[in-house]
This record gives sequence, C-alpha cells and structure tokens, in this order.
Amino acid sequence: AQSVTQPDIHITVSEGASLELRCNYSYGATPYLFWYVQSPGQGLQLLLKYFSGDTLVQGIKGFEAEFKRSQSSFNLRKPSVHWSDAAEYFCAVRPNQAGTALIFGKGTTLSVSS
Amino acid sequence: GAVVSQHPSWVICKSGTSVKIECRSLDFQATTMFWYRQFPKQSLMLMATSNEGSKATYEQGVEKDKFLINHASLTLSTLTVTSAHPEDSSFYICSARVLESSYNEQFFGPGTRLTVL
Repeated sequence: AQSVTQPDIHITVSEGASLELRCNYSYGATPYLFWYVQSPGQGLQLLLKYFSGDTLVQGIKGFEAEFKRSQSSFNLRKPSVHWSDAAEYFCAVRPNQAGTALIFGKGTTLSVSS
Repeated sequence: GAVVSQHPSWVICKSGTSVKIECRSLDFQATTMFWYRQFPKQSLMLMATSNEGSKATYEQGVEKDKFLINHASLTLSTLTVTSAHPEDSSFYICSARVLESSYNEQFFGPGTRLTVL
C-alpha cells in the first residue's frame, strides 16, 4: 500500500544544533515530495518541494531536503536550529498522477531547548 | 504564490446545527479542491476531492451525507457539516489545485477551526 512514514514522533534539539527529520515513502514511482510546517493553531506553510531535477532542494527559513531514490527518503535538514523553529513538521507526497491529492505523514513535533 | 482563503477561520456551534465553510482560490482558477480534516495533534486526513461541476469523491469512512461538498465554480468550494456533533470538532483545511500548473501544485487555505458544543 502507498504510504508516507515519519518515524520520529517527537524530536528535541538544542538551539544552534543541527536538525534532520526523516521521511520515507512507499510508492511505485517517484512521487512529488513536500515538507510543510505548522505552528500551533495555524495553517500549513510550505517549506520546500521536489518535483524533479537536483535532488538537494533548498527551502525557506534555511531548510533543505535531499531526495534519495535508493532509500525512498526525503529527509529535511537545517544546520542550526532556532527557537522559533519549534513546530509540527509534515512530510507529504503526491503520486505523479493527475487528480491525486497530497498524502501526509503523521508529523514530527520539534521542540527546541535553550 | 497562489492564495487560498477560508471563511470562517473559526466557528462555534450547537450540536445538531449545520455549518458551512467556504474555500476560495483568490488569484487563480482551481479545477480541483480537496478537503482535509485534522484532529488535535494528528495529521491531515483527506476527506474528499471535489471537481468543479461534478460530485465530490469521498474517502473511505467519510459520510457524504454528513459532509456536503459543493464546487460551484473554479474559485469556490464549500463544505457543509450537517447536524454537527461534538465529535465533528476539528480543524478543516481546504486545498486548491492550480489549473495551469504543469506540476498540478496544491495550495492550502489557513484552515477553519470548528467547535461543536
């Protein structure tokens, strides 16, 4: 079955430390890949997306993600986390087919300690 | 980027009443709109897909008679929660797909928080 997995439910990192949030997908072909961030009580904000081309994608707020076909992964990274990065992060995929909706992972809660 | 709005942003209603939520694409035409539901501390779950001028397609387990979706134009879709009950309290998020986008990009509204008393 098609699925999106975010293995880490909750991660805590120290301010200034690096961050990596994991995302794995299970689809027959390379889907379109996305990372969103959601602050408490707020809507979704798109951090970055991958459709094709360069497998290292740069996003907003200093985030980047790397698509690895061999591992079916699209992990999100940031070299130095700020306290304002504390939020819920969702990986989402859309099969490369017309008419299909984004499917979301269960999310990873990021806490930032001082 | 394309902007999607939702109205209202939050609503409180009594059990048994119906609530309508509007989703508008403000600066683009959307052939397809999606409705998601998000319970507290959970992920977004797709409820239904609506195409302009046709009936919505509901995901398994979503009651189509309870969650009425109307996609009357290329810029407006509405979700009506009929006979709402406390268990329908949730964050409802719509999404619209850009008509001319080669990648069929999806843009999300800010969400509507429904509280049923």
